[in-house]
Amino acid sequence: AQSVTQLGSHVSVSEGALVLLRCNYSSSVPPYLFWYVQYPNQGLQLLLKYTSAATLVKGINGFEAEFKKSETSFHLTKPSAHMSDAAEYFCAVSPKGNTPLVFGKGTRLSVIA
Amino acid sequence: GAGVSQSPSNKVTEKGKDVELRCDPISGHTALYWYRQSLGQGLEFLIYFQGNSAPDKSGLPSDRFSAERTGGSVSTLTIQRTQQEDSAVYLCASSFAGDEKLFFGSGTQLSVL
Repeated sequence: AQSVTQLGSHVSVSEGALVLLRCNYSSSVPPYLFWYVQYPNQGLQLLLKYTSAATLVKGINGFEAEFKKSETSFHLTKPSAHMSDAAEYFCAVSPKGNTPLVFGKGTRLSVIA
Repeated sequence: GAGVSQSPSNKVTEKGKDVELRCDPISGHTALYWYRQSLGQGLEFLIYFQGNSAPDKSGLPSDRFSAERTGGSVSTLTIQRTQQEDSAVYLCASSFAGDEKLFFGSGTQLSVL
């Protein structure tokens, strides 16, 4: 069975600081991994995805994530936080395409001016 | 419409009543998913429809929950004899077959009093 663990239900950073949201996965087969973002009062939207191509994946709004098989991790980073990045971020895993994604519990990112 | 549409946006009901939640996916999307989002629990998979295949109901928490998808388009999630623990945001998502990019609706906030 696949699962993801997001470390930290709430992360707070200063504007301009590095954003690091942690995600570790468990999968018996090579996984597909995703980060989704939920802005206040909006539906979830795909931020980026890893599907066994390049291990460093770039997404929208300057975010990127690196797949590290040895660490079973897929942490999300952004070099410089912006106020508009404040949202809930969800890591998700799927054993292959078009099967239900298994989501983590989410990490709420706050950005302080 | 341009996105996934869910109705109602908010539903307040009394314990023991039945409720129906509706999802109108993006035109052309053959895959449709229902998830439940509870505070601090992340997204919990409920049910998945793909084309004319039998739905994956493995996430439904009890036999009080059921869903159908008519004509390969609109889906209805029904909760019978609602309980207070059913209170949550119910999210619908759709995608093209084989595409991991899910498009989510804004959800239905269900409150069971």
